[in-house]
Amino acid sequence: GAVVSQHPSWVICKSGTSVKIECRSLDFQATTMFWYRQFPKQSLMLMATSNEGSKATYEQGVEKDKFLINHASLTLSTLTVTSAHPEDSSFYICSARDLQGAYNSPLHFGNGTRLTVT
Amino acid sequence: AQTVTQSQPEMSVQEAETVTLSCTYDTSESDYYLFWYKQPPSRQMILVIRQEAYKQQNATENRFSVNFQKAAKSFSLKISDSQLGDAAMYFCARLTGTASKLTFGTGTRLQVTL
Repeated sequence: GAVVSQHPSWVICKSGTSVKIECRSLDFQATTMFWYRQFPKQSLMLMATSNEGSKATYEQGVEKDKFLINHASLTLSTLTVTSAHPEDSSFYICSARDLQGAYNSPLHFGNGTRLTVT
Repeated sequence: AQTVTQSQPEMSVQEAETVTLSCTYDTSESDYYLFWYKQPPSRQMILVIRQEAYKQQNATENRFSVNFQKAAKSFSLKISDSQLGDAAMYFCARLTGTASKLTFGTGTRLQVTL
């Protein structure tokens, strides 16, 4: 089946530093990837839609200058949390849709990244 | 706002028994898709079942089936012959439009007891 690899699985960083999270589709190509944030015992909230070769589309309330998204190829999207603060600590999950699939085909999810900002 | 509501924060079922998880949603679209995802302690999101809104027939995947009531905007998940491995968070989700954006419900934590 389709596999989405997310790296790192967990990271601890100091307040004020930046952290980059990678999301790779291993056996398929994805023009669109999605980044979600999940607080403990809560649902997944869509942060932004990452589009290959163009700017990401951010959901209302998400700071685009803080959460930088780059989708440089059909298999890789990155999320960079800039100048991280403790309130950015959360679980971040990416997902991707197969380029060959219809818009309503199921998304494939990465294993998530737990970010802790100290 | 177009929302997805799961009114049961937690549910418990005995092994081999049947349990139903509730989900209601709101949408102004006529064409949409509904999903149930499972999130075990590993946090990996696993697709359980999907339903196309234009189909009247309820989707079924082995022990998992849905009761889709379009007029009532209800989409419940029935798990038959529950197994210990079914214990997880279950999220109902709605996909609308060609942007493939999923809106998730708040989740139901399912506990399976011996």
